[in-house]
Amino acid sequence: GAGVSQSPRYKVAKRGRDVALRCDSISGHVTLYWYRQTLGQGSEVLTYSQSDAQRDKSGRPSGRFSAERPERSVSTLKIQRTEQGDSAVYLCASSSRSGQGRVLWGYTFGSGTRLTVV
Amino acid sequence: KNEVEQSPQNLTAQEGEFITINCSYSVGISALHWLQQHPGGGIVSLFMLSSGKKKHGRLIATINIQEKHSSLHITASHPRDSAVYICAVRSRNTDKLIFGTGTRLQVFP
Repeated sequence: GAGVSQSPRYKVAKRGRDVALRCDSISGHVTLYWYRQTLGQGSEVLTYSQSDAQRDKSGRPSGRFSAERPERSVSTLKIQRTEQGDSAVYLCASSSRSGQGRVLWGYTFGSGTRLTVV
Repeated sequence: KNEVEQSPQNLTAQEGEFITINCSYSVGISALHWLQQHPGGGIVSLFMLSSGKKKHGRLIATINIQEKHSSLHITASHPRDSAVYICAVRSRNTDKLIFGTGTRLQVFP
């Protein structure tokens, strides 16, 4: 499809376990965000990456959160040693960018993965 | 002070009322997004704006670039409009997304 898709839609994890969430972005999109939305804390950016580097340029680095981009249009968010406070909706958003670095368009958002840590 | 501010934080309304949610930002932007998150968690992208006004059904979004302000209006509100509405901007300088804190809307029958 033409949108950003995330999987799974829902995930339940036992506290202390590692989880992996997937985001399939749009072919040609360069920039990709992972962020999470909680009722009490609003939106928190987790990672921000450019496709020319599989390393992250995290907006808010955290040792337990990391993102990998094995392919340009696929990203996996890994959460290590999950905590109950990690229960949230995890979203990814991607965008394109011109060769000169000029922004052409806004972001396309996925519909999210709801993670519940029990 | 947050770079993107939304008001109000919480809003309750009776079914049928006209609703306005405001978003003010302090950075130069290339795009502004309005997002909707229902209690079940899924995010729906409502609008992307860089100027002017957009309308989709009962939803209207406006943006004033000079004043760095955007509004989301809901006409003839309905209980199913109950959700968290989030404003997010794309910084023109850094290319990064900056989110507002969200507005929780509850519409009662």
